[in-house]
Formats: sequence, structure tokens, C-alpha cells
Amino acid sequence: QQQVKQSPQSLIVQKGGISIINCAYENTAFDYFPWYQQFPGKGPALLIAIRPDVSEKKEGRFTISFNKSAKQFSLHIMDSQPGDSATYFCAASYNQGGKLIFGQGTELSVKP
Amino acid sequence: DTEVTQTPKHLVMGMTNKKSLKCEQHMGHRAMYWYKQKAKKPPELMFVYSYEKLSINESVPSRFSPECPNSSLLNLHLHALQPEDSALYLCASSLRDGGYGYTFGSGTRLTVV
Repeated sequence: QQQVKQSPQSLIVQKGGISIINCAYENTAFDYFPWYQQFPGKGPALLIAIRPDVSEKKEGRFTISFNKSAKQFSLHIMDSQPGDSATYFCAASYNQGGKLIFGQGTELSVKP
Repeated sequence: DTEVTQTPKHLVMGMTNKKSLKCEQHMGHRAMYWYKQKAKKPPELMFVYSYEKLSINESVPSRFSPECPNSSLLNLHLHALQPEDSALYLCASSLRDGGYGYTFGSGTRLTVV
């Protein structure tokens, strides 16, 4: 019940295309859903986050869509660029316990 | 200052060595974390400090010993490590315990030989 399932494991997208990464969770106590971007040799960096009272959040080219009834959320990267090539982790947490539960990660490659 | 600074960036140590990893933040965050990350895997939580007290130890072997000298510093003392402990060790902090608004450092790449 503590798991966050992420798919796909890897994704190849052409420059200018839309990258879509999906995550699903079971624990309805989760109330915070961030996405992290990680480049090789670097720590994860917070990209965008959403709370379950909102169905969509957009920041620049990055959008989170959230479906509370289906217990799913996804990251959409519009107009994908080669510089977006990185590993993306979805995660979930709740207001107690200090734990951030990560998905397994998606390795995104954007081809020029 | 919006960064978590980790030193050293790279560390190679023998199985009989004792070494320490250091983490520092000046954002006023009161929760600090150690994570271990293997290649192509998500970070795995090791320890959580909340208000300078150890609140979570994820059954980590005693060869890893955390220390929080003050609200800005977090250390991870290493002793008698195994080659399988080679990984990227990440420090993170958040305003308070609860998973919100984590800031990660760039990590220490540890190789045990």
C-alpha cells in the first residue's frame, strides 16, 4: 500500500513532442505528489508538485494531471527538448512520517 | 541560500577505512535526511532527523552512523563498509518532517574497494 508504481521505465521522444509519464498509488492518505528530475551525477531536483484537491497544475512546459478517483497522476512535458533528457521520479508523501515514497523512475531521452 | 551542500563529491575508501560524509543547509529546514541511490534506481531512505533528533532509521546496518551536530549540519560516519555499499549518497532537507518541499544535495559518489 506504500508503493507508487511508475511507467514507462524508459521513453524516447522526438524533439518538440509530448512526453507522458504515469504513476499510480494505493494509499489514500497520500496528500502530496511531487515530480523530481535527475540528471546523471546530480541529486533529484523538485520539478513540480500537486495536492489532491487540484486536478491539474501547469508550470511552463510541465503539467501534472491528477485523477483522485483512479489514484493516478501523470507528468506531461510539452515541446520536449534534448535538455529534458533525464530520469524522472514521481513520488508521494503525507503530512506525517517524513517519508517520500518514490516511483521506480523513467529514463527520458529526447532525440534532436 | 537555497542549497544543500554535500562534501566530498567523490570518495573512494577501503573496507577497513573510516570516513565521513558531510551535509550542510542554511535554509532553516528542521528535517534532514540521508538517502542511498544505486544506479537506475530511486533513492532509498536511510535516516531522518527531525529537530536534530533521529526519528527514522530504516534498519540500516550499524556500519553507517548518522550524526546531527546542529540544525544546519548532518554527517554520515562510515566504517567497515562492503563493496555493495558503493552508491550515490544523497542528503536532503525540508522545512519540517513530512515529505513536503524536499531539497536534495548533489550527493557523494562513494566507491568501496
